[in-house]
Amino acid sequence: GESVGLHLPTLSVQEGDNSIINCAYSNSASDYFIWYKQESGKGPQFIIDIRSNMDKRQGQRVTVLLNKTVKHLSLQIAATQPGDSAVYFCAENRGMDSSYKLIFGSGTRLLVRP
Amino acid sequence: ETGVTQSPTHLIKTRGQQVTLRCSSQSGHNTVSWYQQALGQGPQFIFQYYREEENGRGNFPPRFSGLQFPNYSSELNVNALELDDSALYLCASSLDAHSSGGPGGYTFGSGTRLTVV
Repeated sequence: GESVGLHLPTLSVQEGDNSIINCAYSNSASDYFIWYKQESGKGPQFIIDIRSNMDKRQGQRVTVLLNKTVKHLSLQIAATQPGDSAVYFCAENRGMDSSYKLIFGSGTRLLVRP
Repeated sequence: ETGVTQSPTHLIKTRGQQVTLRCSSQSGHNTVSWYQQALGQGPQFIFQYYREEENGRGNFPPRFSGLQFPNYSSELNVNALELDDSALYLCASSLDAHSSGGPGGYTFGSGTRLTVV
């Protein structure tokens, strides 16, 4: 069935440390993946994306790695800050007959300890 | 440029009632998708509207229906509410239904929290 799953439901890190959030996907034909951050009471906020013809993409303090062989994504956050505390979702942008839809995982909660 | 606006922010309904949720898309976006997010879960795709027509649907029963208006705003209607319909309903707008995305391709609203009692 459709699934984009996550390995860890909760991740607790010390402020200033690096965070790594993992995600597995099931559809090998998917060609576009997105990481979202969702804070309490808000909708998902775009962080970074990657296409299947890449294996790494960097943004400001964030890096996404894609391993198509094992259908695995990871989000790395450098120098994690208290403002990074949120739930993080990976999503696969999957084509339908005439459009696309996002397939989300269940999320990883990131807690940043001061 | 305005983002995606959803109303109301919170709503309590009784089982069996009907509800209408509203979404104004981001300026320049012509496609609206609706998602249901149960507590502690990731969002689940309900359907998408493009050019005022349904343009793709997830595994939701027909009592979930929608509309899109000429200004690209959209409504989600749910009939015969069930307790399991309690969730956060998210609206996401995008530039083109046929696009496979792109940086920030989807813009989400803050959602409507629906509680069915």
